[in-house]
Amino acid sequence: ILNVEQSPQSLHVQEGDSTNFTCSFPSSNFYALHWYRWETAKSPEALFVMTLNGDEKKKGRISATLNTKEGYSYLYIKGSQPEDSATYLCAQGSGGGADGLTFGKGTHLIIQP
Amino acid sequence: DSGVTQTPKHLITATGQRVTLRCSPRSGDLSVYWYQQSLDQGLQFLIQYYNGEERAKGNILERFSAQQFPDLHSELNLSSLELGDSALYFCASSPGDSNQPQHFGDGTRLSIL
Repeated sequence: ILNVEQSPQSLHVQEGDSTNFTCSFPSSNFYALHWYRWETAKSPEALFVMTLNGDEKKKGRISATLNTKEGYSYLYIKGSQPEDSATYLCAQGSGGGADGLTFGKGTHLIIQP
Repeated sequence: DSGVTQTPKHLITATGQRVTLRCSPRSGDLSVYWYQQSLDQGLQFLIQYYNGEERAKGNILERFSAQQFPDLHSELNLSSLELGDSALYFCASSPGDSNQPQHFGDGTRLSIL
């Protein structure tokens, strides 16, 4: 059974500041780590899928890193904007063709103007 | 727009009843996943179908069942409904490769009275 933890649960950040948050997961039998962004009243939107230790991915002002040996991933947002306000979810895939994701409970990010 | 279509958007019914939720995946995607989002839980994986066959099961109750049809659309059947089944039910699709992101529909909000 995979157990994915995210911290902090919520975060208030001033507009223009940079921020980061953490996803922890079991490091044994690692297969893939997904990050999603979920805005209120919308559906989760895929940001990154990461599979290799040391992976770094970037999309605009958002980037993520992966450490499979110690079981964590960081998501970074540079120069936060109000439109970055959302819940950020990470999820672990179990692989082997069985691709149902185990999600953490998310980090709820609020950007204050 | 993720390309994943879920109907209906909202469903209100009574305890003991049976409902069917429908999902059309993105064009070309072979895998369909069903997830449940309850008030006090994160996104919970229910079941995955790949090209018409059941691929993986998560926390799906025996009262719930799903299928994927030859045209790749999927239905989630919920029976003997209880108050605790009230939740947001998401369908997601992917090409079937575990390293690919999953694309989520807008969800069906089920309310049991």
